[in-house]
Amino acid sequence: EAQVTQNPRYLITVTGKKLTVTCSQNMNHEYMSWYRQDPGLGLRQIYYSMNVEVTDKGDVPEGYKVSRKEKRNFPLILESPSPNQTSLYFCASSLVRGRLEGYTFGSGTRLTVV
Amino acid sequence: EDQVTQSPEALRLQEGESSSLNCSYTVSGLRGLFWYRQDPGKGPEFLFTLYSAGEEKEKERLKATLTKKESFLHITAPKPEDSATYLCAVLKYALNFGKGTSLLVTP
Repeated sequence: EAQVTQNPRYLITVTGKKLTVTCSQNMNHEYMSWYRQDPGLGLRQIYYSMNVEVTDKGDVPEGYKVSRKEKRNFPLILESPSPNQTSLYFCASSLVRGRLEGYTFGSGTRLTVV
Repeated sequence: EDQVTQSPEALRLQEGESSSLNCSYTVSGLRGLFWYRQDPGKGPEFLFTLYSAGEEKEKERLKATLTKKESFLHITAPKPEDSATYLCAVLKYALNFGKGTSLLVTP
């Protein structure tokens, strides 16, 4: 089944403790992206990747890092999480920047930073 | 600045009561307009892509249309299972989402 898999689904952590949210897709998509979703603000893009070793900032990149060492994986790294990073996070993938076919989203990771 | 605005923010309908959701946008160089459905706590689920003004697409009780400035998602004779948040997004260099319309259909 074609899908985007995120782990974990839920995570509670403390301020400053480094964490990684994993994202993997099995559709051989070149383009992958991370979004965060907050009440009243909608979905906002954090980082995106056009292909292996090619990443770029989205609208809200501060406090996040990403890497794209393999085509299928695009982990999101929070080096020193803070409470304002409490949010619902989604990974998405697509053929070459959307290819006019729509992104496929993962099921989400709900992160709470205390 | 590119903007995507959805209205209304929330909509409550009786089962069978048809209505439309609006997505207005100001984007130059639009490469596509997308509609997604999102259920609580889940990832957005792709519904439609519209590429050019005048285009229409249908899926069950949903019909999406596109003009040069806005898109409508028409819901005909909705059922309670159509209750969800509907998201509009425009594609330029990346998907830029509106804040969504929360639809509740009551029996």
